[in-house]
Amino acid sequence: SQQGEEDPQALSIQEGENATMNCSYKTSINNLQWYRQNSGRGLVHLILIRSNEREKHSGRLRVTLDTSKKSSSLLITASRAADTASYFCATDFRLDYKLSFGAGTTVTVRA
Amino acid sequence: EAQVTQNPRYLITVTGKKLTVTCSQNMNHEYMSWYRQDPGLGLRQIYYSMNVEVTDKGDVPEGYKVSRKEKRNFPLILESPSPNQTSLYFCASSLKTGLLGEQFFGPGTRLTVL
Repeated sequence: SQQGEEDPQALSIQEGENATMNCSYKTSINNLQWYRQNSGRGLVHLILIRSNEREKHSGRLRVTLDTSKKSSSLLITASRAADTASYFCATDFRLDYKLSFGAGTTVTVRA
Repeated sequence: EAQVTQNPRYLITVTGKKLTVTCSQNMNHEYMSWYRQDPGLGLRQIYYSMNVEVTDKGDVPEGYKVSRKEKRNFPLILESPSPNQTSLYFCASSLKTGLLGEQFFGPGTRLTVL
């Protein structure tokens, strides 16, 4: 069964605005990762946050992790047209090496 | 160039005709995995392998087989494909140093079973 659930399912913003999406999961995890997918292509890794970390930055990306609420958020600041894509969170369970993806958030950045 | 390759990229076949989708990585990764992606369902893991000769079921293994005879290759076999296996398939690999790391994805194989 799917571990991660992204929210919202879709997001439309103006270029230059920030985009925030959330991921909730059900059981204890080792890591949580965020990926980007451009229209039917392979997924590209964005950022990995470990269960003992609370926040991580990479360029215009900011990821937070709240293990008490079993949730994570991905913030994209100063969005660009090239950020138009689907974004997925992926979690790996504490007890095995399965990797579970959510259904994704589709982000559209309008020029 | 570090990469994961998949072949074929597109395949149209008929019900019951055995097929194999190949996956190869050149990064010496221990962990390899297959996913299928369907609209509204995200990616679902089919099988994964933590090293040569070690494979485990993911969330949707029914109707699929895999093998890991060499570290670099992880083929996905559909012995008797059915229309509900029409999907976009991705292979991925990563290092496994205690915990799973960044997954490197192949470009995808779009399979249609008629």
